[in-house]
Amino acid sequence: SQTIHQWPATLVQPVGSPLSLECTVEGTSNPNLYWYRQAAGRGLQLLFYSIGIGQISSEVPQNLSASRPQDRQFILSSKKLLLSDSGFYLCAWSVRGWEQPQHFGDGTRLSIL
Amino acid sequence: KQEVTQIPAALSVPEGENLVLNCSFTDSAIYNLQWFRQDPGKGLTSLLLIQSSQREQTSGRLNASLDKSSGRSTLYIAASQPGDSATYLCAVKPLNYGGSQGNLIFGKGTKLSVKP
Repeated sequence: SQTIHQWPATLVQPVGSPLSLECTVEGTSNPNLYWYRQAAGRGLQLLFYSIGIGQISSEVPQNLSASRPQDRQFILSSKKLLLSDSGFYLCAWSVRGWEQPQHFGDGTRLSIL
Repeated sequence: KQEVTQIPAALSVPEGENLVLNCSFTDSAIYNLQWFRQDPGKGLTSLLLIQSSQREQTSGRLNASLDKSSGRSTLYIAASQPGDSATYLCAVKPLNYGGSQGNLIFGKGTKLSVKP
């Protein structure tokens, strides 16, 4: 069966520090991968998605970037965190295809001080 | 622009009651609609996926319906239990999104509390 792992589960970082969140998927090949952010009082917002190694699409302009160095690995990064980057970050995967459901990881709670 | 609304924002019911959660969307051009459950501080668990050509899906005590033409979906929970307490989110995948396979548009969720 397929599983998705995110780490760390929680993270407290000072403003201006770098960020690296990692997500890996097991039990499937060539998945679509996604990064979402859930801010307090707001719905989930898609940040990035990837349909293959090195192929990243950004949905919103922001302080963050994403990379996919391996087929089942998706990384969310920042060079300098802002207070507004605080939130709950969720990674998701799906099988290729428009009609396929998305499956989510347990998330990373990021607090910026 | 597609918008998804869930009403009510919060709901409290006694154990054993049957209940309905509502989801509405503004653009009927969708591939599918997905219902999720989110426990506090946790990720999302997929409950049901309804393709645009389908009218309903069932899993155990859960039944989701879709009326694409009116832009509505409901999640019916039978014989509710305290373990059903969570936030329930619905999300639609728009049909026309410039070729993107990425975007699910989420509602803000309904927070359900089932009292023993």
